[in-house]
Amino acid sequence: SQKIEQNSEALNIQEGKTATLTCNYTNYSPAYLQWYRQDPGRGPVFLLLIRENEKEKRKERLKVTFDTTLKQSLFHITASQPADSATYLCALDMMNQGGKLIFGQGTELSVKP
Amino acid sequence: DGGITQSPKYLFRKEGQNVTLSCEQNLNHDAMYWYRQDPGQGLRLIYYSQIVNDFQKGDIAEGYSVSREKKESFPLTVTSAQKNPTAFYLCASNEGGNSPLHFGNGTRLTVT
Repeated sequence: SQKIEQNSEALNIQEGKTATLTCNYTNYSPAYLQWYRQDPGRGPVFLLLIRENEKEKRKERLKVTFDTTLKQSLFHITASQPADSATYLCALDMMNQGGKLIFGQGTELSVKP
Repeated sequence: DGGITQSPKYLFRKEGQNVTLSCEQNLNHDAMYWYRQDPGQGLRLIYYSQIVNDFQKGDIAEGYSVSREKKESFPLTVTSAQKNPTAFYLCASNEGGNSPLHFGNGTRLTVT
């Protein structure tokens, strides 16, 4: 069955540095991958979508890469700010199943001033 | 503002009671989803519906039921058959296909 692994340990970084979060998957080749942000007690909020034929996608201070050979996506936040502190989730599509997504367990990011 | 409303935010029930969680959207989305989130685990899909009057089981449907009588509404019933119902429940919707999910802010259910 499909499996997704994100950094299980929380990531603590200093304000201004680049945060890099990892999403690895096995047993499957998704057509696309999505990243979400979740704050405590709230629902996830969509950030970026990257397709299998795209190597990289950017949105303001966010960058996502997708390496289908390594079966890995990296999520970068440049010039990080304390307001970026949250849990970040990656999600993969399930092919031919109506857009169903499989979610990773999330990585908690803490940016210290 | 368009969005998804889940109510209530916190819900407490005694073991053996059924409970229904509300989810309403005004985004005019065809597809709606129910996920369950437990500490340290990814979101797990309970049920989803791609069109009114039709729905499919997700990965952990046992002990749950849903209905989709209106496009805007997708209530979830947690039955007494659900062995471990205490969790954070999230409702989502999208336009279908690979479009991003829009989530509500969840209902935290505690069963004692």
